[in-house]
Amino acid sequence: DIQLTQSPSFLSASVGDRVTITCRASQATSSFLAWYQQKPGKAPKLLIYATSTLHSGVPSRFSGSGSGTEFTLTISSLQPEDFATYYCQQQIFGPGTKVDIK
Amino acid sequence: EVQLLESGGGLVQPGGSLRLSCATSGFTFDTFAMSWVRQAPGKGLDWVSSISGGGGNRYYADSVRGRFTISRDNSKNTLYLQMNSLRADDTAIYYCAKAVRGYYYYMDVWGTGTTVTVSS
Repeated sequence: DIQLTQSPSFLSASVGDRVTITCRASQATSSFLAWYQQKPGKAPKLLIYATSTLHSGVPSRFSGSGSGTEFTLTISSLQPEDFATYYCQQQIFGPGTKVDIK
Repeated sequence: EVQLLESGGGLVQPGGSLRLSCATSGFTFDTFAMSWVRQAPGKGLDWVSSISGGGGNRYYADSVRGRFTISRDNSKNTLYLQMNSLRADDTAIYYCAKAVRGYYYYMDVWGTGTTVTVSS
C-alpha cells in the first residue's frame, strides 16, 4: 500500500512569507494529488486537486505541483487566514502539516 | 447550495454496530462519487470508504474492510455507512464528502461530521 509523508510536520511562518509543503509517496504512482486546509473544529476544505488544479473560490496564492513520488503545495504570500493544518491526499491522507504564526 | 448533513453517531460499546447517514441536497446525487472520512480526537484525516455514483463500485480502507459497508440510496439522495464490530480505535468524527466531478477521491464538499464514540 502507498504511504504518504509530509514535510515539515510543523512550520512557523510570518504573514507575507512564501511557504512550501512537500508530500512524498512511498512509491511512484500515476495518481494525482489533492491538498486540503483544515482549521480547528471545522471540516477540511479542498484547495487543489489533480496535483495542480485550483478548486473554485480558492485564492490564487495557493498552487500545487509535482509528479511521481514528490508533490508540493506553495502559498506565495501567507495571509492571516492561512494559518491552519494542511493535508495531502491520494485516496489516503498524509499526516498533515500545521502552519503556525511565528 | 450543496449541503451534506450527517447523522447517526453516538456512544456504542466495543463490538457493537452503528449506521451513519448523510442526507444531501443541492446537486444531482447519483452523478457523484461519495466518501466517508474520519478524524480521531487530535489526529489527522483518515479515509474510510468511497462509492461510485451508481453504487456499483465500493472501496474501503484496510482498517475497516469486512466490518464497514458503504451504500447509497439515490432515490433518497442519501449516503450510508454501516459499521459493525466497532473498536475503540474507530472513535472519531465521521465526515461524509462529495467528490469532484469525474473523480472518486477528491472531495469538494464536506458535511459538519457526526461523532462516534466506542467505549464500554
